[in-house]
Amino acid sequence: EVQLLESGGGLVQPGGSLRLSCAGSGFAFSSYAMSWVRQAPGKGLQWVSSISGSGGAIYYADSVKGRFTISRDNSKNMLYLQMNTLRADDTALYYCAKGNRAVGATSSLDYWGQGTLVTVSS
Amino acid sequence: QSVLTQPPSASGTPGQRVTISCSGSSSNIGGTTVNWYQQLPGMAPKLLIYNNYERPSGVPDRFSGSKSGTSASLAISGLQSEDEADYYCAAWDDSLNAVVFGGGTKLTVL
Repeated sequence: EVQLLESGGGLVQPGGSLRLSCAGSGFAFSSYAMSWVRQAPGKGLQWVSSISGSGGAIYYADSVKGRFTISRDNSKNMLYLQMNTLRADDTALYYCAKGNRAVGATSSLDYWGQGTLVTVSS
Repeated sequence: QSVLTQPPSASGTPGQRVTISCSGSSSNIGGTTVNWYQQLPGMAPKLLIYNNYERPSGVPDRFSGSKSGTSASLAISGLQSEDEADYYCAAWDDSLNAVVFGGGTKLTVL
């Protein structure tokens, strides 16, 4: 059974940093791209970043480029999102999602975690 | 403002057929495949349709997808109360090098 478990969310002040983690299990982790998708309270889905199975291809939404860094450790079946210079509009539930193929350029996300909440506020 | 355009709401009565549209451009829908997600209240999104019309295992055949040019549609036949949810279309955008989502359509079963 595929499982994705996010952690690392919390309350942080504007300008602060946070590192999200996502533990994957039940599938060949290194064979699939992974993505982060967020959802602000009461709003729609917003793609944040994707990384290919090998980690060699990485993509970011313009709104987070230069502030967020996606990475993965295939030896530990872990996905990460380092978030720096956080702003109030980064407040959202952050989902980890599995792509249905190895390439990172995919919008087909076949499994999702339950999300971890990030709140940016003073 | 979302790159993909969906109607904010749709509704139908039990047993009816409802369609939800998703409009894009040549850099996204027109050049790649479309996926649809269902998000039940308080739950994580779930892949409903991939590669324009394919259904993951376990998704009822009441749900169907289609694509024509720079637009796509999700159809739900035999509407049931448990279909009440938010529905999102998504595609890869070659110009933005990004996944783009529609703004979502809230489906109400009357």
